[in-house]
Formats: sequence, structure tokens, C-alpha cells
Amino acid sequence: TQLLEQSPQFLSIQEGENLTVYCNSSSVFSSLQWYRQEPGEGPVLLVTVVTGGEVKKLKRLTFQFGDARKDSSLHITAAQPGDTGLYLCAGAAMKTSYDKVIFGPGTSLSVIP
Amino acid sequence: KAGVTQTPRYLIKTRGQQVTLSCSPISGHRSVSWYQQTPGQGLQFLFEYFSETQRNKGNFPGRFSGRQFSNSRSEMNVSTLELGDSALYLCASSLAAPLLAGGRQETQYFGPGTRLLVL
Repeated sequence: TQLLEQSPQFLSIQEGENLTVYCNSSSVFSSLQWYRQEPGEGPVLLVTVVTGGEVKKLKRLTFQFGDARKDSSLHITAAQPGDTGLYLCAGAAMKTSYDKVIFGPGTSLSVIP
Repeated sequence: KAGVTQTPRYLIKTRGQQVTLSCSPISGHRSVSWYQQTPGQGLQFLFEYFSETQRNKGNFPGRFSGRQFSNSRSEMNVSTLELGDSALYLCASSLAAPLLAGGRQETQYFGPGTRLLVL
């Protein structure tokens, strides 16, 4: 059972465009993290959100945690080729049986110059 | 501070063989987690070690095992390799644990991975 779903699976856009990717679950999460993974490298943490409704900004990236803590979104403004990569969300479910971090399948983003 | 290092970076094995992968965490980090990443399944948790003890384990068969040494370096071993074991194996280190009390996620620092191809 996939606890975390991400959409879209693939996204190809032109430089300068805006985009939003989503991370959804039927479970409530204590916190959610977003990572970016570039080809040939391991994932790198971008942000951690812990409070329902929380919004965090990292330069052109805006992260939001849903009020019910079941979903999150990542919005990129004026995408650049350097934003290309696999975006992964990772969460810690609040169910007691889940005591480990779960990763979503990722959104593969390609920004074309 | 040096990052997480993994060796080897690439490996080709044949079915039935066994393989050992190594991970050196960031200095001072005591928790090491291992993940398998494949295009179909994404990042799947294998196990987590802290102070030479396995604290958590994912849903993988017993062919997958690991250990941690007193200097926090960790190894994982896969015996009797199958074609489906072809994947990118990632190791991540964190100060104390990927998850802290109350479900708060700690920062995990990932290595570049070992890409294993089983023929």
C-alpha cells in the first residue's frame, strides 16, 4: 500500500513557467519533508513542514502543508533548468504502527531552457 | 564537514552471488539508514542502525542484512542476488534518528548511492 502519492509523475516545462506538484495521503502525518534528487546523486532535503496549514518559502519554492496534515504541495515560480530533478516527499505517519519515514514515488521535473 | 560516502559507486554482479556495500556517515552522526530505490517502487526503507544495533527494519527478505561498526560506519549485504535486486542503494545518516519523539523528522543526509546491476 502506497501511503504517499505524488502527482504528476512526470512534468516537462519551459524555463520561466510556474508549476505545482502534489503529495497526498489518506493518512495523517506528523510532518512532511520535501527532497530533490539530481541524477547520479542522493536526495537532498529542501524543507520540513510540521504544522497544518504551514507555508514555507525557499527562494522561488513555496511549500504548503495541508490543514489536515494529509497533503502537501510544492510550487515553483519561474522555473529554471537547475530545478530539474526528482522531487520526493517523505512523511512520518501518525499511526503507531508506522515508526519510519515513508517516501512517495516522486515527481520527475524537467525544465527545458 | 565531509558528506556521506558510499562505496563502491557502481557494481555488476550475477544472479546467485552476494554483495557488500559500505557507507560512511557524516562525522558525529550515529544513525545510518539504508534505502533501495528502483523506478517502479521508488525509495523503500531497508533498515536503520544506531550504536551498532538495528533499530528498525523494512519489509525485505532475510537475504538483505546489515551491520554497523563502533565508528558508525555501516555495511549492507545482499546474498543470493536476484535480477530484481538491481537498484540504487542509498545510505542516509542523521544525528540520532530519522524520526524523533512525537514523529518529528530529523534531517537525513544521503550519500550518492551504489548502483547495483544484477545480470
